[in-house]
This record gives sequence, C-alpha cells and structure tokens, in this order.
Amino acid sequence: AQSVTQLGSHVSVSEGALVLLRCNYSSSVPPYLFWYVQYPNQGLQLLLKYTTGATLVKGINGFEAEFKKSETSFHLTKPSAHMSDAAEYFCAVSDPFSTGGFKTIFGAGTRLFVKA
Amino acid sequence: EAGVTQFPSHSVIEKGQTVTLRCDPISGHDNLYWYRRVMGKEIKFLLHFVKESKQDESGMPNNRFLAERTGGTYSTLKVQPAELEDSGVYFCASSQGLGTGELFFGEGSRLTVL
Repeated sequence: AQSVTQLGSHVSVSEGALVLLRCNYSSSVPPYLFWYVQYPNQGLQLLLKYTTGATLVKGINGFEAEFKKSETSFHLTKPSAHMSDAAEYFCAVSDPFSTGGFKTIFGAGTRLFVKA
Repeated sequence: EAGVTQFPSHSVIEKGQTVTLRCDPISGHDNLYWYRRVMGKEIKFLLHFVKESKQDESGMPNNRFLAERTGGTYSTLKVQPAELEDSGVYFCASSQGLGTGELFFGEGSRLTVL
C-alpha cells in the first residue's frame, strides 16, 4: 500500500529565506509524485509533479522538488519565500500501474507561514 | 472553462440527520473522486467514479455513505444518518482520462455534525 509522510505540520520562514517542505513516501512500484497547494478558501491546485524522466521537477511560483528514489523522498523547495507563499502544502503519491485510473494518496499537509 | 464546483460550501446538521453534497466536475472529465479531510489530518480517499461506474469505493467509511453519479456528469454524496465523526471537509476532484494523474479540485464542502 502506498503512503505519504510529511514532516512538520507547520513550517515558519522569514520572507526571502529558503523554503523546505519535507515529504517521504512508501510505494511498492515506481510512483507518480505530486505537490499540491491550498490557499485559504480555495481548492487544492497542482504545484508540480514527477512522473518519469528528470528527477528535478520545476513547478509554478518558483517551486521545485527532487525525486530521490534511494531516500524515498520528494522534498519541495523554493530559494526565496514570498508572503504570497503562505498556504497549506500537500504531498501526494499515485500508482501509475493501477487499473482504471489513479488513486492518489495524500499526506497530512504542511502549513507554511511566512514572516515579514 | 468552469472548474470543479461543490455545493453546499458549508452545512451544519444535527446527529441523525441527512446531508447530500453535490459535485459538478469539469466538463469532459470522466474521472470523479471524493476525498475527506478530518481536521488537521490527511486528505483521505473515499471513492472514484469512471463515468457513471464506481471504479473504487474502498475508502467509503461505512454504509451510511452513498455516492452516485447519474449519467456520468455530476455526483452526489449522501450521509444518512450523520454521526459526529462525519464532520470534516469533503473534497471533490476530477481528471481527464488516465493522463498523468493530475486532479482538479473543488473548494470543498465543510460538514459540521452537532
């Protein structure tokens, strides 16, 4: 069975500082990996995804994540935080070999606070 | 293009009552998913429709929950009778084909059972 663990339910950074949100996954097959973001009073939206190929993937708003198979990790980073990055971030995994569509498994989320 | 819409945005009911949540997916999206998030915890999969057929309902908590997707368009999720532990935010998501697995989410329906 697949699972996702996000380390830290809350992360606080200063504006301009590095953002690092940690995600470890468990999967018996090569997974597809995702980061979603939820801004207040909105639905989740896709930040970036890893399917195959290059292990460093770039997403919207300057975020990127690196798939490390040996560490079963998919940490999300951004070099310089902006106030508008304050939101809740969800790491997710799905099995691309499942039949009949993708069942995506989500982590518990990490709320990012950005201090001025 | 309209996104995924959910109704109501918030519902407050008493234990034992019935609530029906509705989801309208993005037009043309065959896959429709229901998820639930209980306060502060992970977003848990409930079930997956492909068109009007239930592909996977392994996440449905018990038989008090009934999901339908008539005609392969909108979907409803009915909870009857509601219990206190059913409180949470119910998310609907849709996706096109088998693609890359990207889900498009609605804003969620917050259910409070008193």
